[in-house]
Amino acid sequence: NAGVTQTPKFQVLKTGQSMTLQCAQDMNHEYMSWYRQDPGMGLRLIHYSVGAGITDQGEVPNGYNVSRSTTEDFPLRLLSAAPSQTSVYFCATRQTNYGYTFGSGTRLTVV
Amino acid sequence: AQSVTQPDIHITVSEGASLELRCNYSYGATPYLFWYVQSPGQGLQLLLKYFSGDTLVQGIKGFEAEFKRSQSSFNLRKPSVHWSDAAEYFCAVGARAGGTSYGKLTFGQGTILTVHP
Repeated sequence: NAGVTQTPKFQVLKTGQSMTLQCAQDMNHEYMSWYRQDPGMGLRLIHYSVGAGITDQGEVPNGYNVSRSTTEDFPLRLLSAAPSQTSVYFCATRQTNYGYTFGSGTRLTVV
Repeated sequence: AQSVTQPDIHITVSEGASLELRCNYSYGATPYLFWYVQSPGQGLQLLLKYFSGDTLVQGIKGFEAEFKRSQSSFNLRKPSVHWSDAAEYFCAVGARAGGTSYGKLTFGQGTILTVHP
């Protein structure tokens, strides 16, 4: 039982490049979400999903796309990376009436 | 909309001293409340959570928190701080099941704890 797995752990992109941050879980949790963490701002919700085929925007969705074709996977896509997207990204799942499980994070730098 | 305020950005204590980190939340009903800790370059570790029942919640590493509905607060406490407690601490509020806010976790800005020997 690996919990929540995020890949890659580190990534450097050039402005305008695209990439996908992967998030996979093996706990069969319905709810998955993506957060970004920036100094002094805590963690802010980007997108979330309450089940396969259902996604919705969080607090800071601009510049990011998501899809949820399976319960296990919830990838986050950056279509055209910008320096403002330099951040640490966390994926999290939630089990009903329980807590949240976070991945170990992806540190992204856009130059 | 739910929100969390951690009034103290940075707190410094001496090893062995007591600690209280403040957290105030805004939520329309009884929320789910969490405290997480993050060491530099690491992920988030859950210290404790409040869902219902006893308003004094015990967590890992000797931490506890008290839910006070009348004050909309969920302050984190530890009677004697260890040098290894130096980290950043986040309070968070989550919506209960059902409704459009289900699953959304809102974090405070974090409190950095420095421990002097």
